[in-house]
Amino acid sequence: QKEVEQNSGPLSVPEGAIASLNCTYSDRGSQSFFWYRQYSGKSPELIMSIYSNGDKEDGRFTAQLNKASQYVSLLIRDSQPSDSATYLCAVSSPNNNDMRFGAGTRLTVKP
Amino acid sequence: DAGITQSPRYKITETGRQVTLMCHQTWSHSYMFWYRQDLGHGLRLIYYSAAADITDKGEVPDGYVVSRSKTENFPLTLESATRSQTSVYFCASGALLNSPLHFGNGTRLTVT
Repeated sequence: QKEVEQNSGPLSVPEGAIASLNCTYSDRGSQSFFWYRQYSGKSPELIMSIYSNGDKEDGRFTAQLNKASQYVSLLIRDSQPSDSATYLCAVSSPNNNDMRFGAGTRLTVKP
Repeated sequence: DAGITQSPRYKITETGRQVTLMCHQTWSHSYMFWYRQDLGHGLRLIYYSAAADITDKGEVPDGYVVSRSKTENFPLTLESATRSQTSVYFCASGALLNSPLHFGNGTRLTVT
């Protein structure tokens, strides 16, 4: 079992819809969770970080964390074609003292 | 300018050659990471460092060597390159383990 798992997709949504991206992790000691966006041929860039259970909102983005279920998600409201990218979930764990990434979910927003 | 710089951006080498990828950051971040990215695998951790002179293996360390004699530099060496090491390599840094990472622009390495 991989330490961080994401649905590989691809995920396609129409413009204006809500895109929902999911991630699960195996290390119960994980404390910090991140979502990165990566455009084709570019390096990953941070969208959201979340450290405690519940929701965290930033503009059109909402990150949700449930440590009991070892689950973190990202919702993108009012999706735009410019949101088309690969979204990477990352988890840091004091047990491993490192930062691991999921395989990424490719999102396409169709005009 | 503050940031994280990788060099070279592109590299073509032959099987069996030694190759070193450079990474330099100007923030004095404690943590530095090397990842490789291949289709279908996302970012896989090769090696990381929590501070100068402290390095540790990640998920896929075989065939790679790292060093960190100075906080700002974290070079990655392929001792004897193989075709399976053809990939895009990203260096990243973070102030603390629970801090977001800053990524370099990546090095696209092709081993022929």
